Amino acid sequence: GNSVTQMEGPVTLSEEAFLTINCTYTATGYPSLFWYVQYPGEGLQLLLKATKADDKGSNKGFEATYRKETTSFHLEKGSVQVSDSAVYFCALSTGAGNNRKLIWGLGTSLAVNP
Amino acid sequence: EAEVAQSPRYKITEKSQAVAFWCDPISGHATLYWYRQILGQGPELLVQFQDESVVDDSQLPKDRFSAERLKGVDSTLKIQPAELGDSAMYLCASSPGTATNEKLFFGSGTQLSVL
Repeated sequence: GNSVTQMEGPVTLSEEAFLTINCTYTATGYPSLFWYVQYPGEGLQLLLKATKADDKGSNKGFEATYRKETTSFHLEKGSVQVSDSAVYFCALSTGAGNNRKLIWGLGTSLAVNP
Repeated sequence: EAEVAQSPRYKITEKSQAVAFWCDPISGHATLYWYRQILGQGPELLVQFQDESVVDDSQLPKDRFSAERLKGVDSTLKIQPAELGDSAMYLCASSPGTATNEKLFFGSGTQLSVL
């Protein structure tokens, strides 16, 4: 079946450090891939997405590349800020219409220290 | 930017009581989702509506949970009776349709504590 596996947290970094959060998936067909972010006390919001192999999603300095050969969608940022402290969720979407399914990872908590 | 509205923001109740949560999606969004999120875990889909119709409620504990979207706009999720294990964040999300690549817009959630 379809599934998403994220690296476990919490991840603690110093400001300006490089960030990688690993995400791998199992899916049939051609899923779309997403990273959502949840800031403390808030709902989830889309950070970036990619809809086909080799697509790169990017937003707010974050990037992730849809790698079909390794079934991965790792999230990266070159220089994190304190304001990036949040929980990050990797998700995949398969099907369409009434058969659309969203599969979520468990989330990775990131804490950035000044 | 338009937002998904949810209320209340926090709810504290005693077990065996009834609770209800309300969600108003972004105007024009046909698809509405209710998720439950336990601390440290990803969102778990409870029910998905397409307009006023339920298209997926396979994970909804129907003995105590109910959801409706009578006019295909706003929605209510009810729990009766609440149990201790229902303590969680309840998130509502909406999207314009159901294309594979569409993003979801989430509300801020209702944090439920059952005592």
